[in-house]
Amino acid sequence: DIQMNQSPSSLSASLGDTITITCHASQNINVWLSWYQQKPGNIPKLLIYKTSKLHTGVPSRFSGSGSGTGFTLIISSLQPEDIATYYCQQGQSYPWTFGGGTKLEIK
Amino acid sequence: EVQLQQSGPELVKPGASVKISCKTSGYTFTEYTMHWVKQSHGKSLEWIGGIIPNNGGTSYNQKFKGKATLTVDKSSSTAYMELRSLTSEDSAVYYCARADGYTDFDYWGQGTTLTVSS
Repeated sequence: DIQMNQSPSSLSASLGDTITITCHASQNINVWLSWYQQKPGNIPKLLIYKTSKLHTGVPSRFSGSGSGTGFTLIISSLQPEDIATYYCQQGQSYPWTFGGGTKLEIK
Repeated sequence: EVQLQQSGPELVKPGASVKISCKTSGYTFTEYTMHWVKQSHGKSLEWIGGIIPNNGGTSYNQKFKGKATLTVDKSSSTAYMELRSLTSEDSAVYYCARADGYTDFDYWGQGTTLTVSS
């Protein structure tokens, strides 16, 4: 199975900050990397697919990049509604696997 | 509007089985694969498996083979997941999630909470 290692596991930042979450795959997953946002008590929601493509309705302050084994999610100009846990997920090969999550809090 | 409506919370005894449903609307059911994801309390997400509604073809996470069985009813645009031989380790929230043309989940059900307890 492809392991997805996400860091940091938690992050505290101020409103307006730019934050970066990283995801490292245990083997090459090309560009088949997605990011999800899960707000407390809510379902996961797709933010970014195929490494860098924004899902419909996702604000442009979210961006993704990377290829192969290293990927990043950047949130610029942090907003209160960005408080959530973020997960990466690989779709290169079955079983599709998720990272352990990054819990984002506002200072 | 795409909607995935899951069945309600379940409280079942150890050793029993349960079948969770995911009724879809707002899109052509047979054109997208349907997947199931487990989220244990406070933890990350685990892919259980996926099914191709058009022909019933399935792929499972080896970890859930023998535990989960995925089926569909095309006539009602509903996907099902049956879990058997339940233990406390199966207590979790289970989501159905549609995969779009790539390898991500673009729409999710609201989740079904399964509690296994005597």
